[in-house]
Amino acid sequence: QKEVEQDPGPLSVPEGAIVSLNCTYSNSAFQYFMWYRQYSRKGPELLMYTYSSGNKEDGRFTAQVDKSSKYISLFIRDSQPSDSATYLCAMRENAGGTSYGKLTFGQGTILTVHP
Amino acid sequence: EPEVTQTPSHQVTQMGQEVILRCVPISNHLYFYWYRQILGQKVEFLVSFYNNEISEKSEIFDDQFSVERPDGSNFTLKIRSTKLEDSAMYFCASMRSAGGPIDEQFFGPGTRLTVL
Repeated sequence: QKEVEQDPGPLSVPEGAIVSLNCTYSNSAFQYFMWYRQYSRKGPELLMYTYSSGNKEDGRFTAQVDKSSKYISLFIRDSQPSDSATYLCAMRENAGGTSYGKLTFGQGTILTVHP
Repeated sequence: EPEVTQTPSHQVTQMGQEVILRCVPISNHLYFYWYRQILGQKVEFLVSFYNNEISEKSEIFDDQFSVERPDGSNFTLKIRSTKLEDSAMYFCASMRSAGGPIDEQFFGPGTRLTVL
């Protein structure tokens, strides 16, 4: 079983749609959960960062973590063409001990929002 | 706004040659990382570096790879004898500290390495 699984898509939606992106994971030691956005041939850029279970909202973006199900989600409301990018989920364990912040990424979901 | 920079943006090399990829992390950061992304695949962790030594490395990071922080600002990744399968985008990242829930890794724009 892969440590982090993410549906690579591609996902194509009309402008204004609600987008749902998901990842599952197997490592119960993961404590920090992130969503990165990556434009073509650029470095990942942090979008949302959550710790442990629960919801976090930032403008049109909502991140959800369900540690009991080992499942995380990113929701984008009122999607815009400028949201078109690859969205990567990433996770890491608590720092200290043998972990120094190593991120484990999902495959990335390619999202296109068309006008 | 401070950012991680990487040079060169694109490096083309012949198989068996040595390459050095360079990164300048954000100045007050203490943890440094290299990741790679083979075209169409996921971003993979290579190595983390803290307090002037490797703190963690992946299976990919074998004896052909080495990292160095030669002068307190640059952070380099050396591949001693490149193979075709080393062709990938290499990302450097840095993080201020590694203890808190708000600590974020900032990524550079990447160096595209092409091995012919």
